[in-house]
Amino acid sequence: EAGVAQSPRYKIIEKRQSVAFWCNPISGHATLYWYQQILGQGPKLLIQFQNNGVVDDSQLPKDRFSAERLKGVDSTLKIQPAKLEDSAVYLCASSWDGLNTEAFFGQGTRLTVV
Amino acid sequence: GDSVTQMEGPVTLSEEAFLTINCTYTATGYPSLFWYVQYPGEGLQLLLKATKADDKGSNKGFEATYRKETTSFHLEKGSVQVSDSAVYFCALTSGNTPLVFGKGTRLSVIA
Repeated sequence: EAGVAQSPRYKIIEKRQSVAFWCNPISGHATLYWYQQILGQGPKLLIQFQNNGVVDDSQLPKDRFSAERLKGVDSTLKIQPAKLEDSAVYLCASSWDGLNTEAFFGQGTRLTVV
Repeated sequence: GDSVTQMEGPVTLSEEAFLTINCTYTATGYPSLFWYVQYPGEGLQLLLKATKADDKGSNKGFEATYRKETTSFHLEKGSVQVSDSAVYFCALTSGNTPLVFGKGTRLSVIA
C-alpha cells in the first residue's frame, strides 16, 4: 500500500514570496490533515478536511495560508506572503474516517524562509 | 480543550538500558491514545496505540498501557538499542477531532 506522498521535500524562499505544497493521501482515506511542526515542537494542526469539505481550520492563519482539496483526494497548502516564522516542516496526514483512528503521515516538506 | 503533556528531553541512555517516557493527557470523553516516532529526516510513524482503558499497545519491544485513573500512557522498553534513537510523540484523538500531540521527547542511545 502506497503511503502519503508529499512534495517538495525541501523549499527555501525569501520572505514575502509565495510557496505551495502538495499532498496525495493514502487511497480511500476520507480525512486529510495539514500540520505545522516548528523545530523542537510537536505538530500543530492547521486544517482538517473530510472528503472535500473543511472540518476544522480554526488554527489556520487565513490572512496568509490557504488550502484546498478540490476532488476529495489531493490537497494543496499555500502560503502567501511567507514570513520568517513560517519556517517549519509541513506534514500531511490522512486517515480512514477521522473517528478515533490513527493518522498516517507523509515525510513532510521542510520550508526555510530567509 | 484536549491536551497532552510528556516529559521534557533530551533523554540519553546507554544501550540495553530501560526506557520510560512519561505521558499524561487531558480530554473530554474517551480518547484513543498513540505513540508516534520520528526518526531523523523522516515523517511520523505510528509506534503503538490503545483505544480504551487498560488496553496495552505494543510494538518493536515498546509498550504502553492506557491508564484512565491516572490519565497516563507512559512508553516503556526493557532494553533500548542505538537504532531507537529518535523523537517520540504522545498523541490523542477523541471522536472526530484531529490528533493532538505532545511536544516530543528526544531519545539518544549510545553504544
